Amino acid sequence: KAGVTQTPRYLIKTRGQQVTLSCSPISGHRSVSWYQQTPGQGLQFLFEYFSETQRNKGNFPGRFSGRQFSNSRSEMNVSTLELGDSALYLCASSLGGRGSTDTQYFGPGTRLTVL
Amino acid sequence: AQTVTQSQPEMSVQEAETVTLSCTYDTSESDYYLFWYKQPPSRQMILVIRQEAYKQQNATENRFSVNFQKAAKSFSLKISDSQLGDAAMYFCAYPLYNQGGKLIFGQGTELSVKP
Repeated sequence: KAGVTQTPRYLIKTRGQQVTLSCSPISGHRSVSWYQQTPGQGLQFLFEYFSETQRNKGNFPGRFSGRQFSNSRSEMNVSTLELGDSALYLCASSLGGRGSTDTQYFGPGTRLTVL
Repeated sequence: AQTVTQSQPEMSVQEAETVTLSCTYDTSESDYYLFWYKQPPSRQMILVIRQEAYKQQNATENRFSVNFQKAAKSFSLKISDSQLGDAAMYFCAYPLYNQGGKLIFGQGTELSVKP
């Protein structure tokens, strides 16, 4: 099976712009989670989608949003970019059962730089 | 609140030797899972090993094994016969039950392997 894919791999934006990141999960996986990784804050959970519905959300401002399509592919959008949004954004997919029994498999990440 | 702590920011090991990375966690749940992930310079997050808390037997995957002490809430990773390719950042992670498996990560341990 193909692994989790993320596009684009690298992005450079300026403050105030918006950006959309894409994630395609492993075939058959219905849950997609997004994480932000920075040197200062480490790995932080953004949100999780399952069957096109946001099932869980982390403590991020409303500028961070996402959605999931019927084929389980997910997009994450960040509006009005700030310098502090520079980070590696990781997407992970899992089968999506409730509870914590499903292993999450990660994509290669999108490196976002905000100038 | 559930937390995961990795007290060793950096570790070093000689090639072919054995090294143990420490992780402690805090939870009030009785049944849960724990993971170790590896993040090499490519930044791809790779699953190393998974442990089910209800199992008394420690998980093993080739040269990787864990020492799981449930009462002490300790989950250490042992790497035997270390190889240059093992050099990476290692994260211990705990998924939150009934929150879509939202992963709580430790701060990470950077492992270097000396030839």
